[in-house]
Amino acid sequence: NAGVTQTPKFQVLKTGQSMTLQCAQDMNHEYMSWYRQDPGMGLRLIHYSVGAGITDQGEVPNGYNVSRSTTEDFPLRLLSAAPSQTSVYFCASSYRVLGEQYFGPGTRLTVT
Amino acid sequence: ILNVEQSPQSLHVQEGDSTNFTCSFPSSNFYALHWYRWETAKSPEALFVMTLNGDEKKKGRISATLNTKEGYSYLYIKGSQPEDSATYLCASINTNAGKSTFGDGTTLTVKP
Repeated sequence: NAGVTQTPKFQVLKTGQSMTLQCAQDMNHEYMSWYRQDPGMGLRLIHYSVGAGITDQGEVPNGYNVSRSTTEDFPLRLLSAAPSQTSVYFCASSYRVLGEQYFGPGTRLTVT
Repeated sequence: ILNVEQSPQSLHVQEGDSTNFTCSFPSSNFYALHWYRWETAKSPEALFVMTLNGDEKKKGRISATLNTKEGYSYLYIKGSQPEDSATYLCASINTNAGKSTFGDGTTLTVKP
Protein backbone atom coordinates (compact mmCIF):
# COMPACT_ATOMS: atom_id res chain seq x y z
CA ASN A 1 0.00 0.00 0.00
CA ALA A 2 1.16 3.52 -0.83
CA GLY A 3 -0.84 4.88 2.13
CA VAL A 4 -1.79 8.56 1.83
CA THR A 5 -0.20 10.40 -1.07
CA GLN A 6 -0.20 14.12 -1.75
CA THR A 7 0.83 16.10 -4.80
CA PRO A 8 2.56 18.40 -5.35
CA LYS A 9 5.18 18.47 -2.57
CA PHE A 10 5.99 22.13 -3.16
CA GLN A 11 4.08 24.90 -4.92
CA VAL A 12 4.51 28.63 -5.38
CA LEU A 13 1.47 30.66 -6.42
CA LYS A 14 0.86 34.29 -7.11
CA THR A 15 -1.94 36.07 -5.28
CA GLY A 16 -5.25 35.44 -7.02
CA GLN A 17 -4.25 32.20 -8.71
CA SER A 18 -6.21 29.02 -8.09
CA MET A 19 -4.97 25.47 -7.75
CA THR A 20 -5.90 22.04 -6.50
CA LEU A 21 -3.92 20.04 -3.97
CA GLN A 22 -4.36 16.34 -4.61
CA CYS A 23 -4.80 13.69 -1.92
CA ALA A 24 -5.35 9.99 -2.42
CA GLN A 25 -5.39 6.93 -0.16
CA ASP A 26 -5.44 3.25 -1.05
CA MET A 27 -6.50 1.87 2.34
CA ASN A 28 -10.29 2.06 1.75
CA HIS A 29 -10.61 4.58 4.58
CA GLU A 30 -13.97 6.26 5.15
CA TYR A 31 -12.70 9.41 6.77
CA MET A 32 -10.44 11.95 5.10
CA SER A 33 -9.42 15.42 6.20
CA TRP A 34 -7.28 18.41 5.31
CA TYR A 35 -5.19 20.35 7.82
CA ARG A 36 -2.92 23.32 7.59
CA GLN A 37 0.08 23.73 9.81
CA ASP A 38 1.44 27.17 10.60
CA PRO A 39 4.39 27.91 12.89
CA GLY A 40 3.40 27.71 16.56
CA MET A 41 -0.21 26.82 15.73
CA GLY A 42 -0.28 23.05 15.42
CA LEU A 43 -2.74 21.46 12.99
CA ARG A 44 -5.94 23.26 12.09
CA LEU A 45 -8.77 21.42 10.34
CA ILE A 46 -9.87 22.91 7.03
CA HIS A 47 -12.43 20.41 5.69
CA TYR A 48 -13.24 16.80 6.29
CA SER A 49 -15.28 13.99 4.78
CA VAL A 50 -16.92 10.99 6.44
CA GLY A 51 -17.47 9.17 3.16
CA ALA A 52 -17.88 9.59 -0.59
CA GLY A 53 -20.30 12.41 -1.37
CA ILE A 54 -20.19 13.87 2.16
CA THR A 55 -18.03 16.82 3.19
CA ASP A 56 -18.11 19.32 6.03
CA GLN A 57 -16.23 22.38 7.20
CA GLY A 58 -13.56 22.42 9.86
CA GLU A 59 -12.13 25.31 11.84
CA VAL A 60 -10.65 27.32 8.94
CA PRO A 61 -12.63 26.59 5.75
CA ASN A 62 -12.69 30.05 4.16
CA GLY A 63 -10.95 30.22 0.80
CA TYR A 64 -10.99 26.45 0.29
CA ASN A 65 -13.34 23.99 -1.40
CA VAL A 66 -13.39 20.21 -1.30
CA SER A 67 -15.28 17.38 -2.94
CA ARG A 68 -15.31 13.62 -2.37
CA SER A 69 -16.55 11.84 -5.46
CA THR A 70 -14.70 8.59 -4.66
CA THR A 71 -13.55 6.89 -1.47
CA GLU A 72 -9.92 7.23 -2.56
CA ASP A 73 -9.60 10.90 -3.51
CA PHE A 74 -10.12 14.12 -1.57
CA PRO A 75 -8.79 17.16 -3.46
CA LEU A 76 -8.50 20.58 -1.85
CA ARG A 77 -9.10 23.60 -4.07
CA LEU A 78 -7.78 27.06 -3.38
CA LEU A 79 -10.16 29.42 -5.14
CA SER A 80 -8.10 32.63 -5.18
CA ALA A 81 -4.80 32.26 -3.37
CA ALA A 82 -3.84 34.82 -0.73
CA PRO A 83 -0.53 35.24 1.15
CA SER A 84 -2.38 34.17 4.34
CA GLN A 85 -2.72 30.73 2.77
CA THR A 86 1.03 30.21 2.80
CA SER A 87 1.33 27.08 4.92
CA VAL A 88 2.07 23.38 4.96
CA TYR A 89 -0.98 21.33 4.08
CA PHE A 90 -1.52 17.79 5.32
CA CYS A 91 -4.11 15.32 4.14
CA ALA A 92 -5.07 12.48 6.48
CA SER A 93 -7.35 9.47 6.46
CA SER A 94 -8.68 6.95 8.94
CA TYR A 95 -10.55 3.65 8.69
CA ARG A 96 -13.29 4.73 11.03
CA VAL A 97 -14.67 8.22 11.36
CA LEU A 98 -13.20 8.55 14.83
CA GLY A 99 -10.09 6.38 14.43
CA GLU A 100 -6.43 7.36 14.45
CA GLN A 101 -5.38 9.20 11.33
CA TYR A 102 -2.71 8.40 8.76
CA PHE A 103 -1.07 11.49 7.33
CA GLY A 104 0.32 12.21 3.89
CA PRO A 105 3.78 13.75 3.41
CA GLY A 106 2.46 17.30 3.16
CA THR A 107 2.43 20.06 0.54
CA ARG A 108 4.40 23.22 1.22
CA LEU A 109 2.56 26.13 -0.41
CA THR A 110 3.90 29.65 -0.76
CA VAL A 111 1.68 32.47 -2.01
CA THR A 112 3.49 35.62 -3.09
CA ILE B 1 -11.68 23.21 29.17
CA LEU B 2 -13.13 24.09 25.78
CA ASN B 3 -10.08 23.44 23.61
CA VAL B 4 -7.28 20.92 23.62
CA GLU B 5 -4.29 22.30 25.48
CA GLN B 6 -0.82 20.83 25.76
CA SER B 7 1.91 21.75 28.19
CA PRO B 8 4.67 22.56 28.23
CA GLN B 9 5.05 24.05 24.76
CA SER B 10 8.67 22.87 24.60
CA LEU B 11 11.01 20.82 26.68
CA HIS B 12 14.79 20.35 26.61
CA VAL B 13 16.21 17.37 28.47
CA GLN B 14 19.49 15.47 28.63
CA GLU B 15 19.85 11.98 27.25
CA GLY B 16 18.76 9.50 29.91
CA ASP B 17 16.32 11.86 31.62
CA SER B 18 12.72 10.79 32.03
CA THR B 19 10.08 13.31 31.14
CA ASN B 20 6.36 13.79 30.89
CA PHE B 21 3.89 16.21 29.41
CA THR B 22 0.20 16.90 29.59
CA CYS B 23 -2.79 17.06 27.27
CA SER B 24 -6.00 18.64 28.61
CA PHE B 25 -9.23 18.19 26.69
CA PRO B 26 -12.99 18.70 27.07
CA SER B 27 -14.36 15.84 29.16
CA SER B 28 -17.97 16.15 27.97
CA ASN B 29 -19.07 13.77 25.18
CA PHE B 30 -15.62 12.17 25.19
CA TYR B 31 -14.98 9.44 22.63
CA ALA B 32 -11.21 9.02 22.25
CA LEU B 33 -7.83 10.64 22.77
CA HIS B 34 -5.03 10.08 20.27
CA TRP B 35 -1.33 10.75 20.72
CA TYR B 36 0.86 11.39 17.70
CA ARG B 37 4.60 11.72 17.28
CA TRP B 38 5.78 14.23 14.68
CA GLU B 39 9.44 14.28 13.68
CA THR B 40 10.91 17.24 11.83
CA ALA B 41 10.37 17.08 8.05
CA LYS B 42 8.05 14.09 8.42
CA SER B 43 4.33 13.56 8.96
CA PRO B 44 2.57 12.87 12.27
CA GLU B 45 2.32 9.18 13.16
CA ALA B 46 -0.13 7.71 15.66
CA LEU B 47 1.38 6.51 18.94
CA PHE B 48 -1.64 5.63 21.05
CA VAL B 49 -5.40 5.46 20.80
CA MET B 50 -7.02 5.77 24.22
CA THR B 51 -10.72 5.40 24.90
CA LEU B 52 -11.40 4.23 28.45
CA ASN B 53 -11.02 6.13 31.70
CA GLY B 54 -7.95 4.77 33.45
CA ASP B 55 -6.44 3.48 30.19
CA GLU B 56 -2.69 2.99 30.22
CA LYS B 57 -0.81 2.30 27.00
CA LYS B 58 2.85 1.50 26.49
CA LYS B 59 5.17 1.27 23.50
CA GLY B 60 8.79 0.67 24.43
CA ARG B 61 9.94 3.53 26.65
CA ILE B 62 6.86 5.65 25.96
CA SER B 63 3.64 5.29 27.91
CA ALA B 64 0.43 7.26 28.33
CA THR B 65 -2.41 7.47 30.81
CA LEU B 66 -5.94 8.79 30.45
CA ASN B 67 -8.39 10.42 32.86
CA THR B 68 -11.65 11.11 31.03
CA LYS B 69 -13.52 12.41 34.06
CA GLU B 70 -11.16 15.31 34.61
CA GLY B 71 -10.10 15.61 30.97
CA TYR B 72 -6.37 15.00 30.89
CA SER B 73 -3.79 12.58 29.55
CA TYR B 74 -0.11 12.26 30.41
CA LEU B 75 2.62 11.05 28.06
CA TYR B 76 5.76 9.68 29.73
CA ILE B 77 9.13 8.96 28.17
CA LYS B 78 11.54 6.92 30.28
CA GLY B 79 15.27 7.35 29.68
CA SER B 80 14.95 9.85 26.79
CA GLN B 81 17.15 9.30 23.75
CA PRO B 82 18.08 11.82 21.02
CA GLU B 83 15.84 9.92 18.61
CA ASP B 84 12.87 10.78 20.85
CA SER B 85 13.27 14.42 19.78
CA ALA B 86 9.99 15.32 18.09
CA THR B 87 6.76 17.19 18.58
CA TYR B 88 4.14 15.17 20.43
CA LEU B 89 0.55 16.01 19.53
CA CYS B 90 -2.64 14.95 21.20
CA ALA B 91 -6.05 14.99 19.52
CA SER B 92 -9.40 14.81 21.27
CA ILE B 93 -12.44 13.32 19.62
CA ASN B 94 -15.93 14.02 20.96
CA THR B 95 -19.03 12.13 19.96
CA ASN B 96 -20.93 15.26 19.01
CA ALA B 97 -18.13 16.74 16.88
CA GLY B 98 -17.25 13.78 14.69
CA LYS B 99 -13.76 15.09 14.11
CA SER B 100 -10.40 15.43 15.83
CA THR B 101 -9.29 18.59 17.59
CA PHE B 102 -5.54 18.83 17.94
CA GLY B 103 -3.50 20.56 20.59
CA ASP B 104 -0.53 22.69 19.53
CA GLY B 105 1.93 20.03 20.64
CA THR B 106 4.90 19.70 22.98
CA THR B 107 8.28 19.87 21.25
CA LEU B 108 10.84 17.67 22.95
CA THR B 109 14.58 18.09 22.36
CA VAL B 110 16.87 15.47 23.84
CA LYS B 111 20.52 16.52 24.03
CA PRO B 112 23.19 13.79 23.84
